[in-house]
Amino acid sequence: ETGVTQTPRHLVMGMTNKKSLKCEQHLGHNAMYWYKQSAKKPLELMFVYNFKEQTENNSVPSRFSPECPNSSHLFLHLHTLQPEDSALYLCASSQDRGEPGEQYFGPGTRLTVT
Amino acid sequence: GQNIDQPTEMTATEGAIVQINCTYQTSGFNGLFWYQQHAGEAPTFLSYNVLDGLEEKGRFSSFLSRSKGYSYLLLKELQMKDSASYLCAVREGNYQLIWGAGTKLIIKP
Repeated sequence: ETGVTQTPRHLVMGMTNKKSLKCEQHLGHNAMYWYKQSAKKPLELMFVYNFKEQTENNSVPSRFSPECPNSSHLFLHLHTLQPEDSALYLCASSQDRGEPGEQYFGPGTRLTVT
Repeated sequence: GQNIDQPTEMTATEGAIVQINCTYQTSGFNGLFWYQQHAGEAPTFLSYNVLDGLEEKGRFSSFLSRSKGYSYLLLKELQMKDSASYLCAVREGNYQLIWGAGTKLIIKP
């Protein structure tokens, strides 16, 4: 496996379900990100982890719960979601030292909440 | 406030040149990025500017004027595969990127 991988690629869940999204990066980076991408809207940064420590939490509702057990893995635990949470959830990673420090994205999980 | 503006959609002809503009107002500036995103795929990194001027990378070039809060992405010798959305993003601190909504570029034969 190379780059950034995400599973599952597609997820349909009811509002009372609990599910988790998984992200893994094979690039040796130490910063990882969760983004939400809705149609025709800018990417919304949800969480940032650097060396497993959460450094940003952009006022995300508590029904989204991140977990970063090590620098290579990132999870997003979902529970009691709302239909407006339906979107593409993208994971990314980057090196936190040096320029330009661009972010590498996974293919995303297309989430539909019914 | 923080704001990044770019046109919603542009159309160009195969073989031509197109310029996609991006203007920004952010509380900090630590570099500007351009990403390409094909429909249904992840964004991929295209270019980075932190100093004023033009950065050239093959058929793609990116320009930055920090005093004007302005950047553009220039695509030359357009190919059908260049049909995609182009995202402008400004890094404010170490990690946080502020993103534009993207410009959908349609290439016609």
